[in-house]
Amino acid sequence: AAGVIQSPRHLIKEKRETATLKCYPIPRHDTVYWYQQGPGQDPQFLISFYEKMQSDKGSIPDRFSAQQFSDYHSELNMSSLELGDSALYFCASSVRGLGEAFFGQGTRLTVV
Amino acid sequence: GQNIDQPTEMTATEGAIVQINCTYQTSGFNGLFWYQQHAGEAPTFLSYNVLDGLEEKGRFSSFLSRSKGYSYLLLKELQMKDSASYLCAVREYSGAGSYQLTFGKGTKLSVIP
Repeated sequence: AAGVIQSPRHLIKEKRETATLKCYPIPRHDTVYWYQQGPGQDPQFLISFYEKMQSDKGSIPDRFSAQQFSDYHSELNMSSLELGDSALYFCASSVRGLGEAFFGQGTRLTVV
Repeated sequence: GQNIDQPTEMTATEGAIVQINCTYQTSGFNGLFWYQQHAGEAPTFLSYNVLDGLEEKGRFSSFLSRSKGYSYLLLKELQMKDSASYLCAVREYSGAGSYQLTFGKGTKLSVIP
């Protein structure tokens, strides 16, 4: 069965650079969630989309933005990267308010 | 907003049973999930409760009491590979078709021989 696909799996950027993370949800899933997980931390909710519209917003910094496209894939854009942005970034998808959310394998971002 | 509490760490013996508790406070409750996460890997879905009661799935069971804001995950016949973090997550409906899935800080379970 198709799963949530994230790319790239690993990314190394320098401070003040920008990064774009991509997420391809499971087909027919209309909701996408983005999470940031620092070492030893729980996943922190950043933002979610339902049917290509921003649905809810969590602790997403103003330097970050995200959108969901017509094919339902989503991109998380991160600018003016800081060392503290180094983390695992997970994307999850679900069918709106039904059932569980499935997670992608994550993108490990390292800011140096 | 939500407030989700679960123990930080637990240790149990191989072959034993362990119960991981989760309490939460939320409005617009729309389901409680348990995920397993090994270090550096994605959370994997274990169970989902939206109504009160017990859901059983092989060695794993999950219980929910909405009136008490309480859930537990029960793991039976523990195996070494069950050593992982177990995340309690609550989905909240915040109106206008908006859902948020919020995670607790996770319980790190260590299974010892």
